Amino acid sequence: DAKTTQPPSMDCAEGRAANLPCNHSTISGNEYVYWYRQIHSQGPQYIIHGLKNNETNEMASLIITEDRKSSTLILPHATLRDTAVYYCIVRGFNNNDMRFGAGTRLTVKP
Amino acid sequence: DVKVTQSSRYLVKRTGEKVFLECVQDMDHENMFWYRQDPGLGLRLIYFSYDVKMKEKGDIPEGYSVSREKKERFSLILESASTNQTSMYLCATLGGGMNTEAFFGQGTRLTVV
Repeated sequence: DAKTTQPPSMDCAEGRAANLPCNHSTISGNEYVYWYRQIHSQGPQYIIHGLKNNETNEMASLIITEDRKSSTLILPHATLRDTAVYYCIVRGFNNNDMRFGAGTRLTVKP
Repeated sequence: DVKVTQSSRYLVKRTGEKVFLECVQDMDHENMFWYRQDPGLGLRLIYFSYDVKMKEKGDIPEGYSVSREKKERFSLILESASTNQTSMYLCATLGGGMNTEAFFGQGTRLTVV
């Protein structure tokens, strides 16, 4: 079973920041947090990952709490094309077991 | 360009048929995965393989088997298809070690009638 919990759905206004939470209270010291998203009718795509420091790339920012039990994916200026299901998973670099949950369905509204 | 190719985008099979879903990758990745996706349930792991001829059960292996005779190909087998196996099936690959990103195929929408 997935080791993360996420809200089933969220809405966000176009142009505003979308903040998607994820709880991973049983994360172990060598496990990373990964985020993927799945746009309708496509396979999931990687967004970002992190261990304990905050991370930023051209798509998003990842904020991980100090105790590492939760994290937030931030899309700084959401567009209609960001409407998708977002998945948060945890795994170690040497762990080939990759389990997803139900994810969060983000709807960006005009 | 990275490629994970699933043999069919849409498939319709009859109850009781033996069904093969094929996945081929060109990235030389050690790990390959099969998931099914149903509305409201997200991605559920059926089986994964971390090497040729090696396999591990995921969360919902019942009614499925897999085969990995070559590194680049991972097959999902429905021994006797049933209507409750109607679903979207997704294949993924993941490199070992420092590779951090999984790659997914486009999915096969299987309908069992």
